[in-house]
Amino acid sequence: GENVEQHPSTLSVQEGDSAVIKCTYSDSASNYFPWYKQELGKRPQLIIDIRSNVGEKKDQRIAVTLNKTAKHFSLHITETQPEDSAVYFCAGGAQKLVFGQGTRLTINP
Amino acid sequence: DAGITQSPRHKVTETGTPVTLRCHQTENHRYMYWYRQDPGHGLRLIHYSYGVKDTDKGEVSDGYSVSRSKTEDFLLTLESATSSQTSVYFCAIRPGGRVAGGGEQYFGPGTRLTVT
Repeated sequence: GENVEQHPSTLSVQEGDSAVIKCTYSDSASNYFPWYKQELGKRPQLIIDIRSNVGEKKDQRIAVTLNKTAKHFSLHITETQPEDSAVYFCAGGAQKLVFGQGTRLTINP
Repeated sequence: DAGITQSPRHKVTETGTPVTLRCHQTENHRYMYWYRQDPGHGLRLIHYSYGVKDTDKGEVSDGYSVSRSKTEDFLLTLESATSSQTSVYFCAIRPGGRVAGGGEQYFGPGTRLTVT
């Protein structure tokens, strides 16, 4: 079955700097890769996703890239703000999703 | 919030008792999912449903059963709760539900279950 690994587990950046979170997956049949943001005590919220027929997708300060050959995908957040502090999860799969272990992102003012 | 509710939102129960969690949606989505979330493990799929009476196992299904007798409700049952099932349980729905491809999932507010 699918296995998704996420790194780093914690990330601390200065406000205004960029943050990058990386994930790898194992199943070449996976065709959908979402990213979720979860604030403390809240449900995970979908922030961006990418399908296997696309290499990059951007939505304002957030972008995701996918390298199918290497089986890895990354989340890029530019011009980070304090409200970006949260736990971020990647996932991969198709009908079913397998989630990474999460990255706790802290934005320092 | 995609019209998803979960009940109860919090529950404390004793080891060995049966527990049923309910996920309710208002928009007739075909796909529904149950996950558990534990520190250090992210979200792990327990069971999912792709239609009324159509369910399948996820990666951590042992000790859990599910039922879906109508489109709007997906029930998760712990037949005999154990302390290792203490967790936060999230239900999710997938709009559209294309058979061959993946698609976005939206989560309910979660149920915090404590087994003593």
